[in-house]
Amino acid sequence: DSGVTQTPKHLITATGQRVTLRCSPRSGDLSVYWYQQSLDQGLQFLIQYYNGEERAKGNILERFSAQQFPDLHSELNLSSLELGDSALYFCASSAVDSNSPLHFGNGTRLTVT
Amino acid sequence: AQSVTQLDSQVPVFEEAPVELRCNYSSSVSVYLFWYVQYPNQGLQLLLKYLSGSTLVKGINGFEAEFNKSQTSFHLRKPSVHISDTAEYFCAVIYTGGFKTIFGAGTRLFVKA
Repeated sequence: DSGVTQTPKHLITATGQRVTLRCSPRSGDLSVYWYQQSLDQGLQFLIQYYNGEERAKGNILERFSAQQFPDLHSELNLSSLELGDSALYFCASSAVDSNSPLHFGNGTRLTVT
Repeated sequence: AQSVTQLDSQVPVFEEAPVELRCNYSSSVSVYLFWYVQYPNQGLQLLLKYLSGSTLVKGINGFEAEFNKSQTSFHLRKPSVHISDTAEYFCAVIYTGGFKTIFGAGTRLFVKA
């Protein structure tokens, strides 16, 4: 058990809809990362937060947004969903140091129909 | 650009045979290196990491990796694989001074009886 909790595990929704994915980091970790994993694109870094502030941005679409709250949990919001957004979305957390390994949750599988 | 290349997308191997999964990164500046494993329907787990010191790093489940700075490589090895090692393996790098973990595309290891 990595200590990172993601909810929900599965999500099925229709095109054009909006969903929110939630992540609780490992106890003591201040950094939260979001990744998208699909068969054709592999593991893509979306965004990182550190102690409530955005730290780094990757291949995140403008339709997607995220935030980290004072209790350090994070939410990833996906709007105007398209079929191509179907993927596994992983949250990971790490300790303060920049050389810290990532601890991954089990992911949320999003299916857009 | 900073990148990680995993040279083999799939590696089939018979049980009890040795295996090497190859990984190269793009720059010779100081790096921190990691191997993660992803079992079906799970998130990624840390196998091993290289931060500094000895270039031969031992990880969990009998895996080891060797850091070669001149060849900018961090290949993963196991002398004798088991059926249970069937999974996807990701090489990852953090460039010193950076905050982002860059992942390779993954290598799917398939162990046959």
